Amino acid sequence: DAGITQSPRHKVTETGTPVTLRCHQTENHRYMYWYRQDPGHGLRLIHYSYGVKDTDKGEVSDGYSVSRSKTEDFLLTLESATSSQTSVYFCATLGGGASNQPQHFGDGTRLSIL
Amino acid sequence: KQEVTQIPAALSVPEGENLVLNCSFTDSAIYNLQWFRQDPGKGLTSLLLIQSSQREQTSGRLNASLDKSSGRSTLYIAASQPGDSATYLCAVLTGGGADGLTFGKGTHLIIQP
Repeated sequence: DAGITQSPRHKVTETGTPVTLRCHQTENHRYMYWYRQDPGHGLRLIHYSYGVKDTDKGEVSDGYSVSRSKTEDFLLTLESATSSQTSVYFCATLGGGASNQPQHFGDGTRLSIL
Repeated sequence: KQEVTQIPAALSVPEGENLVLNCSFTDSAIYNLQWFRQDPGKGLTSLLLIQSSQREQTSGRLNASLDKSSGRSTLYIAASQPGDSATYLCAVLTGGGADGLTFGKGTHLIIQP
């Protein structure tokens, strides 16, 4: 949807290793978001971006950093992965005015930290 | 802090029934409310978006209503089909576009053939 590609789609790694997830969009949308989805919690916002090099924290930002050097790419980095960061990660984009446009979501990245 | 609650958490009904999914939110100062569908192992698909100034939106067999003052929304599905089986998520936009959505935990819907 809206040309959003998340990579990798699945990843298994060990505690303490760095991990970077990539979100690529082809719609030239201004806003981009990273959410995590966990049983019992639903989707929660990690970080968001409102333009190139403009980012801010969401509800559950501890342990995560983001970067956006180009409109089309939004990277999420776990500097030192922990088991509590095992989750499904979704990227979303939003173009145009906020009130009348839906967010578009990628298919998610399933991340397991052992 | 905005909180979104969806009731019921799970629902199983026979094919052909009309059904209602409920969503409530604690802060009525919203920009919009969105209903999404999520199939297992997949991302979210936007179904309907209701702006804060609107009362309802319709798409095919789906109708969503919004009562902002009471902090409630309903998603009505007419003549349910097995293909409607999925998890339905309600989300509100409270800040501007930069703030992201606040989601409920979803209603897991099963339509029995």
